[in-house]
Amino acid sequence: NAGVMQNPRHLVRRRGQEARLRCSPMKGHSHVYWYRQLPEEGLKFMVYLQKENIIDESGMPKERFSAEFPKEGPSILRIQQVVRGDSAAYFCASSPPTRGEQYFGPGTRLTVT
Amino acid sequence: KNEVEQSPQNLTAQEGEFITINCSYSVGISALHWLQQHPGGGIVSLFMLSSGKKKHGRLIATINIQEKHSSLHITASHPRDSAVYICAVIAGNNRLAFGKGNQVVVIP
Repeated sequence: NAGVMQNPRHLVRRRGQEARLRCSPMKGHSHVYWYRQLPEEGLKFMVYLQKENIIDESGMPKERFSAEFPKEGPSILRIQQVVRGDSAAYFCASSPPTRGEQYFGPGTRLTVT
Repeated sequence: KNEVEQSPQNLTAQEGEFITINCSYSVGISALHWLQQHPGGGIVSLFMLSSGKKKHGRLIATINIQEKHSSLHITASHPRDSAVYICAVIAGNNRLAFGKGNQVVVIP
């Protein structure tokens, strides 16, 4: 049973470009969470999704950020018009329908130049 | 004030020593995670607990719900235990709220 998969592992974007981060949850998991870790800071919650539903997006910046978890395929975190301050590690976690323990992916390290 | 506070922020130990790191939280929770992160690395979930005590190998985690406090103990510490240990609580709507982590260094 493969763990949570994220790709790409490293992503470099110039200011103003778009970044798309993908997360494939563990088999049988229908809940996905995105967290951001800024340099020298702790992890912060961004968004919680189930298939085709956003359950809680209280941690998402109001502009430029969006997330989806379609019926088929991975969850996508999309950042439009990236700025240097978006440089961070973005972690995805998944949990089963019973909402138990969350399992983390390896993260995507985004660098904006 | 952060919902989750961890102490000590930094800890250095000699190989073989017993290590304790602490986590206090101020909100109602359904469960608490202890996570491990190596430099530049991913995050590994060590424990999820909602009461009492759990043990896995040389690691022991305890939680006191009434006192809103949890501890992670490492017995017979080894240099490969050097990492950041992050306490995270499951708050409202199943989201995790994180402490800033305990940086642990074990010297051979």
